[in-house]
Amino acid sequence: EVQLVESGGGLVQPGRSLRLSCAASGFRFEDYAMHWVRQTPGKGLEWVSGISWNSGTIRYADSVQGRFTVSRDNAKNSLYLQMNSLGAEDTALYFCAKQGYTVASLWPDAFDIWGQGTMVTVSS
Amino acid sequence: EIVMTQSPATLSVSPGERATLSCRASQSVSSNLAWYQQKPGQAPRLLIYGASTRAAGIPARFSGSGSDTKFTLTISSLQSEDFAVYYCQQHINWPLTFGGGTKVEIK
Repeated sequence: EVQLVESGGGLVQPGRSLRLSCAASGFRFEDYAMHWVRQTPGKGLEWVSGISWNSGTIRYADSVQGRFTVSRDNAKNSLYLQMNSLGAEDTALYFCAKQGYTVASLWPDAFDIWGQGTMVTVSS
Repeated sequence: EIVMTQSPATLSVSPGERATLSCRASQSVSSNLAWYQQKPGQAPRLLIYGASTRAAGIPARFSGSGSDTKFTLTISSLQSEDFAVYYCQQHINWPLTFGGGTKVEIK
């Protein structure tokens, strides 16, 4: 079964850091670019970051550039999101998602597989 | 950034009826448009990509059309499991952007 499982969310104080993880199974993880997408009631779905199969190409939304770092470990079939200097605006449900149809390269694409999400709440 | 606008915000439809959802892009995205379905407590599910190509396992009652800046998702005969929120997403430019969603509710 193709599956993505996020973990690492929780309650964190403003200005602190948090690291999210996403474990992939059921497909050749190393063949696909991967992404993080977040969702809030107010702003809806927001693409956060993407990383190519070999970590050679990485992109971020302007809202997280310089604060968030995406990485992956193909040997562990895992995707990560290091989030620093967190603010209330980062409170959201964070999904990892598999790039659907452009293999390997990071490319504007649809997301064909999503995890169930991990909730991040930034509050004092 | 390409802004995606969906209408209506809420659509009330009876089971068995046809539902037509709209999505508009602030600039041309050619045919690089995806549709997702999301039910409460679940992740989004890809329905359509490339404006009109159904993703694997998606029933034929879901169809997508349009190009440039105007797109439509049609559900030909609503089933009980189709009541959900639907989002469009452009997949031509960074940053990838989503519409605000259309909630399809039971009339």
